[in-house]
Amino acid sequence: GNSVTQMEGPVTLSEEAFLTINCTYTATGYPSLFWYVQYPGEGLQLLLKATKADDKGSNKGFEATYRKETTSFHLEKGSVQVSDSAVYFCALGQGSGGGADGLTFGKGTHLIIQP
Amino acid sequence: DVKVTQSSRYLVKRTGEKVFLECVQDMDHENMFWYRQDPGLGLRLIYFSYDVKMKEKGDIPEGYSVSREKKERFSLILESASTNQTSMYLCASSRGQGHQPQHFGDGTRLSIL
Repeated sequence: GNSVTQMEGPVTLSEEAFLTINCTYTATGYPSLFWYVQYPGEGLQLLLKATKADDKGSNKGFEATYRKETTSFHLEKGSVQVSDSAVYFCALGQGSGGGADGLTFGKGTHLIIQP
Repeated sequence: DVKVTQSSRYLVKRTGEKVFLECVQDMDHENMFWYRQDPGLGLRLIYFSYDVKMKEKGDIPEGYSVSREKKERFSLILESASTNQTSMYLCASSRGQGHQPQHFGDGTRLSIL
């Protein structure tokens, strides 16, 4: 079956540091890939997505590139801020239900940015 | 803006009770989902629905059922609540075609005593 593996953390960085959160996946065919962010006390928000190989998703300074050869979708940001502290989830979407099937999530990476 | 609303942020119930968690979306989305989120386990899919009165089992349906009588509303039912169902429950919705992003509510933190 499908699976998503990501570093769980917590990952602690200083403000303005470079961020990488690794995500690798196992799936047949051509899944869509997503990064979601969850701020304390809130639900998940879509951060970015990519739907095919070599696509780059980007939003709010975050980027991730769909690498089919390495089955990866690593999240990066050049200079993090305290407000980026949150839990980040990598997810894939695939199924025969025309997109109706649920997503498969990684376990989440808790990111802490210190001033 | 997209809005998924879950009826309660916090809920405390007793073992054996029948529990209803309600979710409403205002985007006319075809698909709706219920997940539970637990520390160290991430999100796991309980049930989903791609149309009114339709439902499909997710990865962990045991002990749960769902109801979708109207397009905008998707209810999760714990038939006889047990302590191992203490968790954060998240509802989501998405449009019908392709692998569209899912939009999430803020979650219901359910405690079963």
